[in-house]
Order: sequence, then C-alpha cells, then structure tokens
Amino acid sequence: QVQLQESGPGLVRPSETLSLTCTVSGDSFRNYLWSWIRQSPGKGLEWIGYFHFGGNTNYNPSLSSRVTMSAATSTRQFSLRLTSVTAADTAVYYCARVAHLGAWSYYFDSWGQGVHVTVSS
Amino acid sequence: DIQMTQSPSTLSASVGDRVTITCRASQSISSWLAWYQQKPGKAPNLLIYEASNLESGVPSRFSGSGSGTEFTLTISSLQPDDFATYYCQHYNSYPFTFGGGTKVEI
Repeated sequence: QVQLQESGPGLVRPSETLSLTCTVSGDSFRNYLWSWIRQSPGKGLEWIGYFHFGGNTNYNPSLSSRVTMSAATSTRQFSLRLTSVTAADTAVYYCARVAHLGAWSYYFDSWGQGVHVTVSS
Repeated sequence: DIQMTQSPSTLSASVGDRVTITCRASQSISSWLAWYQQKPGKAPNLLIYEASNLESGVPSRFSGSGSGTEFTLTISSLQPDDFATYYCQHYNSYPFTFGGGTKVEI
C-alpha cells in the first residue's frame, strides 16, 4: 500500500521559487511515474506534470517554462520547483502516482493529502 | 488543450436515489477517462478508469460509461458516504485536464 506525503513551506513570496517535496513509502519508487497536481478555487484541478526517476519528464505547457521535477531515489523523495510565482499559483498541491508505467494509464491511483501554498508578500 | 465540461455543477439528491453525472470532452478522447470522488479537505480518490473500469475497492454501485466525447458516472443507489464532489479527467493526450466538478449534496 503506497503512501505519499507532501512537505514544504505554506507561504512563498511573489517572484520567488516554490519548492515542495513528496516522500513515497510502501511501494517501488522506480516502477512508476510520479506526478504533481494542484487545485485552486479559480482554476480547479490542474495537472502540473510527471516524471520518472530515469529522467523521463512531461510538463503541462502552461507551466513548463517555470517547472522542474526531480527525484532523490536514495530517500524515496521527489520534488517540485516552480519559479517566479504569483498569486495565481496559490493552491493546494498534491503529489500522486500514475497508475502504470509502460501503459497508456495516465490516471492517478494514489494521492498525498496535499499541502496548501499561499503566494503573498 | 482538451476541455472537459461536467454537468450539472451541483446536484441535490436523497439517499437511495439513482444519480447520473455527465462529462463532455471538447474532442474525442476514446475511452481515456477517469472519475474521482473528493470530500472536503481530502485528496481526490480514483473511482473509475478507462471510462468504465471500477477501481479495486470501489463499491459496485458506482459505474461509468461512454466513449468519444460523452461520458457518464452513475451511482445506482446513493449512500450517505457518497455526498461529495466528483471530477472527470481525460488522459487521451497531453496535457491531461480535469472537469470543473459536480457537487452532490442533500
């Protein structure tokens, strides 16, 4: 039974970089794609992107110029960096597991509890 | 991007009712559609994938149907635990997008 837990600051200043970490337990980190999804009252649920520890990434074009995802396999953690944030980036950020690697199964079968990030000075 | 439109946005129902939620895609997505349930303060929970496949552990009162551009989520007999918000998500092509949600309330 996989478990995901997001962590990071709840407040980020405008124009700075948002950095979040997701810790994975109970499952094989290398056998899945891992994703970040955010949810805000204004834009609803928004897929940010996914990555695999082997380096395969895919980002939402609306955010790709500002997003980086990476992993630290030794600690079973993966991270999200979002640069030059504005108030529009205020949201609950979730990490999630893509259901199956190697098949067209880009739905999300396990989620973290989410972390609320506010962008404000 | 493919736009996903859910209707209705809010649905009032009673325990025991049969409930149907519709999700329409702005272009054909074959059967690459998932449904999620979300309760306040919680993450979404996967119910249905590939339009009609029930995720393991999800009660059989939930069912999904459709292909192409029109899809439905049906709850055959609404239970107290089912009052929540439901979202569809396509995964036909990048970027994956979600519908705006349907809140099922008493």
